[in-house]
This record gives sequence, structure tokens and C-alpha cells, in this order.
Amino acid sequence: AQSVAQPEDQVNVAEGNPLTVKCTYSVSGNPYLFWYVQYPNRGLQFLLKYITGDNLVKGSYGFEAEFNKSQTSFHLKKPSALVSDSALYFCAVRARGATNKLIFGTGTLLAVQP
Amino acid sequence: SQTIHQWPATLVQPVGSPLSLECTVEGTSNPNLYWYRQAAGRGLQLLFYSVGIGQISSEVPQNLSASRPQDRQFILSSKKLLLSDSGFYLCAWSVWGTNEQFFGPGTRLTVL
Repeated sequence: AQSVAQPEDQVNVAEGNPLTVKCTYSVSGNPYLFWYVQYPNRGLQFLLKYITGDNLVKGSYGFEAEFNKSQTSFHLKKPSALVSDSALYFCAVRARGATNKLIFGTGTLLAVQP
Repeated sequence: SQTIHQWPATLVQPVGSPLSLECTVEGTSNPNLYWYRQAAGRGLQLLFYSVGIGQISSEVPQNLSASRPQDRQFILSSKKLLLSDSGFYLCAWSVWGTNEQFFGPGTRLTVL
């Protein structure tokens, strides 16, 4: 069965410091991986995806994610956190089949302190 | 460019009343459409998805139903709401080949 795990409910980081939000996955075959961000009472916004190619994927708002096949991980990173990055972050993997269904992790709340 | 709309933005309904939430997509044709529920501000649960007009797949048994009367319109309904139907309802679309889904602004439903 395909699944996504986000082991941290919350990540706290000081503004200006680097941040990492962790994600591990379990799929058969090649994974299609995604990161989304959600601000309070808003829909999810697409940040970035890994389909194939370079393991380091760059996305919106200065975020990037590194695909690591041996560790089955797809951690989200940013070199210097902003207070405005505080939000709920979801990792997702595409399910098999022709529907583009996504399986989401449980989300990680990122809190950036000034 | 593509946009997705949901309405209403918020809704407060009594237990036992009917429900109709609407989602429309602009700027694309034949999208895959999805309804999610987010409870307690965290995990997303896929409720329904549709790959075409009149084609609805249900992911979990529940008190809700979905319909797709037009290519870019997706409706979530209930005949009688339960307290447990409260939550944040999100509609999303995707196009085959692009993989990612794009989400609407959501509807906050409170059942009292």
C-alpha cells in the first residue's frame, strides 16, 4: 500500500535559520511526490513536485526538496526561514491509476519565531 | 489561466438539514475533480473524485454524495446533515499528465 509519513506534528525555527520539514514515503515503483502549503482557513497551495530528474527540486517562495530514493524521503527545506512561512505543510504521493489521486501526509505545522 | 471557485465560503446548518456545496473550474477542459474534507484543521480525507461528467467514485461510505452535471462543475450534497459532517471542504482539480492537484479556497461547514 502507498503511504506518506510526516513524523513531526510541529517544527519550530527562528527567523533566518534554515528549516527542514520531513517526509518519508512508501510506494511501489517510481514515486511522484509533492509538497503543499496551507495558510489558516485557506485552500492548499502547490509548492513543488518531484517526478523524475534532478533529486533537488526547487519550488515557490524559495523552498526546495530533496528526493532520496535510498532513504525513501522527500524533505522540504529552505535556507533562511521567514515569519511568513509559518503555515501547515503537507507532503503527498500520487496513487497508482489514471485518476491523479494523491495520498497526503497528516501535515506538519511550521512555526517561525521572529 | 485556470481558476477554481467554491461557494459558499462559510455555512452554518442545523442537524438534519440538506447541503449543497458547489465547485467550478475555469480555464481548462475535462479536468479530474476531487472533494476532500479536512477535520480539525489537519488531515485531508478524499471523499469523491470524478474523471468526467456523470462519473463519480466514492472513497469512503458516508452521509454525503457528489454529482458532476457539467464538465467543470462538481457538487457535494447531503439530504440530512450530521454533526460529524462539520469540517473544511476542499475541491481540487487536475489534468492528466500534470500530476499535481490545484485546490479551491474551501468551504467551512458547521453543523449545529
